[in-house]
Amino acid sequence: GENVEQHPSTLSVQEGDSAVIKCTYSDSASNYFPWYKQELGKGPQLIIDIRSNVGEKKDQRIAVTLNKTAKHFSLHITETQPEDSAVYFCAAPSGGSYIPTFGRGTSLIVHP
Amino acid sequence: ETGVTQSPTHLIKTRGQQVTLRCSSQSGHNTVSWYQQALGQGPQFIFQYYREEENGRGNFPPRFSGLQFPNYSSELNVNALELDDSALYLCASSVGTATETQYFGPGTRLLVL
Repeated sequence: GENVEQHPSTLSVQEGDSAVIKCTYSDSASNYFPWYKQELGKGPQLIIDIRSNVGEKKDQRIAVTLNKTAKHFSLHITETQPEDSAVYFCAAPSGGSYIPTFGRGTSLIVHP
Repeated sequence: ETGVTQSPTHLIKTRGQQVTLRCSSQSGHNTVSWYQQALGQGPQFIFQYYREEENGRGNFPPRFSGLQFPNYSSELNVNALELDDSALYLCASSVGTATETQYFGPGTRLLVL
């Protein structure tokens, strides 16, 4: 099955700084990589995803990059704001499956 | 369009009891997946229901069971509750099984004493 490692577990930044969260996966057949944001008391919300046929995808202040050779993908948040504070999860499905395996999460704290 | 809803929001049970959690899928979605999220961990896949049949199961014992109804809503049942079952239970809905994009509900927080 898929094994997903996520780092760091906690990330503290000042408002306006950039934040980067990295994930590695084990199954080379995985081809879809979503990122979720989970605020306190809520379920995970899909914020961006990338498929294996592209190396980068952007949506306003967030971007995801994928390196299939190295089997890692990263979430980049620029110009962070206090409302970006949340737990972020990466995920990857095992090849041939659409069920995601989640990383352990990164708690992002943005200080005003 | 309504999102995924779950009930109840919180629940306290004692060891050995049974619990039923409920999920209504997002409008137009016919597939429901259930996840267990322990404190400080990522969600772990329990099982998925499509067209009222179980369509995949994670590494959870048989005392975790489920149902899906004709309106695509779903239930998660857990028998013989153990302390380690304390967690946030999430359901996610999607269109069909051949899709990775899932939309999560707010979860049910279960505490087993």
